[in-house]
Amino acid sequence: EVQLVESGGGLIQPGGSVRLSCAASGFTVSSNYMSWVRQAPGKGLEWVSLIYSGGSTYYADSVKGRFTISRDNSKNTLYLQMNRLRAEDTAVYYCVGGYSYGYQHNYWGQGTLVTVSS
Amino acid sequence: QSALTQPASVSGSPGQSITISCTGTNSDIGTYNLVSWYQQQPGKAPKLMIYEVTKRPSGVSNRFSGSKSGNTASLTISGVQAEDEADYYCCSYAGGSSPYVFGTGTKVTV
Repeated sequence: EVQLVESGGGLIQPGGSVRLSCAASGFTVSSNYMSWVRQAPGKGLEWVSLIYSGGSTYYADSVKGRFTISRDNSKNTLYLQMNRLRAEDTAVYYCVGGYSYGYQHNYWGQGTLVTVSS
Repeated sequence: QSALTQPASVSGSPGQSITISCTGTNSDIGTYNLVSWYQQQPGKAPKLMIYEVTKRPSGVSNRFSGSKSGNTASLTISGVQAEDEADYYCCSYAGGSSPYVFGTGTKVTV
């Protein structure tokens, strides 16, 4: 059974930083592609970032230059380093896994809430 | 990359068929047969329902089907049931520097 478990969310001041983690089991982070997708309170889904099995990374324009996606293959864990946070970054952040041979988001974690507020 | 356009809400009576549209552009839906659909129940994470426009993952009811014409993809729920009440989101691969775009979401009421 595939499990993606996010952690690291919380209350962060504007301009601050936080690192989200996503521990995977039953799914190999390094062999597939991993994304972060967020959902602001009461709003829709927004794709945030992606790392392919080969290591290439991609970002939504709204977070480019502020967020960094990475992974630790030995820990089978995905990360999202979030810097210079803004109120509009407040959302539940989902860790999402997709098979390297496909383009769909197969597995979703339960999400972690990041609240940016003073 | 702008969000794909979906109707805010769709409703139907039990047993009816309902269809949710998802309109994009020539840069996403119009170019790639890589549209997926996700169901999100209240307070839960999204779940993959359809991928590559028409394919169903194992375990998803065959009451769910997908199609595409031009820049618009559609999700049809045949014989809609009370358990199908949820928010539904489409997503398309779009290539380039921001390769994925989600739809605005549709609330289905039965």
